[in-house]
Amino acid sequence: AQSVTQLGSHVSVSEGALVLLRCNYSSSVPPYLFWYVQYPNQGLQLLLKYTTGATLVKGINGFEAEFKKSETSFHLTKPSAHMSDAAEYFCAVSDTGRRALTFGSGTRLQVQP
Amino acid sequence: NAGVTQTPKFQVLKTGQSMTLQCAQDMNHNSMYWYRQDPGMGLRLIYYSASEGTTDKGEVPNGYNVSRLNKREFSLRLESAAPSQTSVYFCASSEGLGGATDTQYFGPGTRLTVL
Repeated sequence: AQSVTQLGSHVSVSEGALVLLRCNYSSSVPPYLFWYVQYPNQGLQLLLKYTTGATLVKGINGFEAEFKKSETSFHLTKPSAHMSDAAEYFCAVSDTGRRALTFGSGTRLQVQP
Repeated sequence: NAGVTQTPKFQVLKTGQSMTLQCAQDMNHNSMYWYRQDPGMGLRLIYYSASEGTTDKGEVPNGYNVSRLNKREFSLRLESAAPSQTSVYFCASSEGLGGATDTQYFGPGTRLTVL
């Protein structure tokens, strides 16, 4: 069975600081990996996804993530945090043969002025 | 395009009451999904429909039924609501037939409280 672990339910950074949100997965087959963002009182929207090919994936709003198979990780980073990045971030995994995503429990990002 | 729309936005029910959550998408997507979101647990799949006329159970289907009315609409019904069904419910859709790499597009959610 697949699972996703997001380390840290809350992360606080200062505006302009590096953002690092951690995601580790378990999957018995090569995974497909996603990061979604949820702004307050809204639905989720896709930030980026890894399917095949280049392991460093760039997404919207300056975010990127790197698939590291040896570490079973897909951490999300952004070099410089902006106040508008404050939201909840979800890592999710899928694989061939599955029709739905398995989500992590989420990390709430707070950006301090 | 409105994307994925859900009605109602908020609902309060008493234990044992029934209700239907409505979802519609205008992107001509094939697949539609219902998730519930509970604090500290992320999103869990209730049911999904890979195409019109087909539905399949997800991770937490007990206490729910679904109907894929046509390609646009996918409704979720609670026949006899229980306090454990207090949650935020999200509908989503994707272009493909439920493929593993599909991007899912989410509605704004329905916040349901069962007393």
